[in-house]
Amino acid sequence: NAGVTQTPKFQVLKTGQSMTLQCAQDMNHEYMSWYRQDPGMGLRLIHYSVGAGITDQGEVPNGYNVSRSTTEDFPLRLLSAAPSQTSVYFCASRPQGAGNTIYFGEGSWLTVV
Amino acid sequence: ELKVEQNPLFLSMQEGKNYTIYCNYSTTSDRLYWYRQDPGKSLESLFVLLSNGAVKQEGRLMASLDTKARLSTLHITAAVHDLSATYFCAVDESGAGSYQLTFGKGTKLSVIP
Repeated sequence: NAGVTQTPKFQVLKTGQSMTLQCAQDMNHEYMSWYRQDPGMGLRLIHYSVGAGITDQGEVPNGYNVSRSTTEDFPLRLLSAAPSQTSVYFCASRPQGAGNTIYFGEGSWLTVV
Repeated sequence: ELKVEQNPLFLSMQEGKNYTIYCNYSTTSDRLYWYRQDPGKSLESLFVLLSNGAVKQEGRLMASLDTKARLSTLHITAAVHDLSATYFCAVDESGAGSYQLTFGKGTKLSVIP
């Protein structure tokens, strides 16, 4: 059981480049989300999805796109990378229903130079 | 807008001592999560608290929730070095279909021999 798998683990981008962070889960969870973690800021929600074909914005969505074509995958796309997007990105998933445990991926460390 | 405040943000304590981390939040919610994060690692789920008065214990950690006071506590009993980590609380906003977690900034705990 792989749980929540994120790739790549580390990435360096140049300003203006685009890239996609991949997230996949094998637990058939309906809910998936992306967070970013910055020093002293805790985790902040970027985008989330409550099922295939349904996505919505979180607290800090600007500069990011998401799509959910399958239950398993929830990629996060950076449209034109900026140094302010240097962060650690976590994907999370959980099954439907209040109070269920939320599972986090191992994280993707992104540096934009 | 939901605000989640943890205090203290930094905590240095001696082995064998007891201490409490506080998590205050600003809107109605009856779903609160506690996570542990080791440096460079993902988030590990510790507790899920789902109702007023909920109390859960695991080893030297005990978490409680008072929804009327909008307060959760994480109590550490007889601290040991292995508990050194950053602890986050996160609040799940009440409402049908709500899935957004708002995190506190974290409490970095250092247990000193």
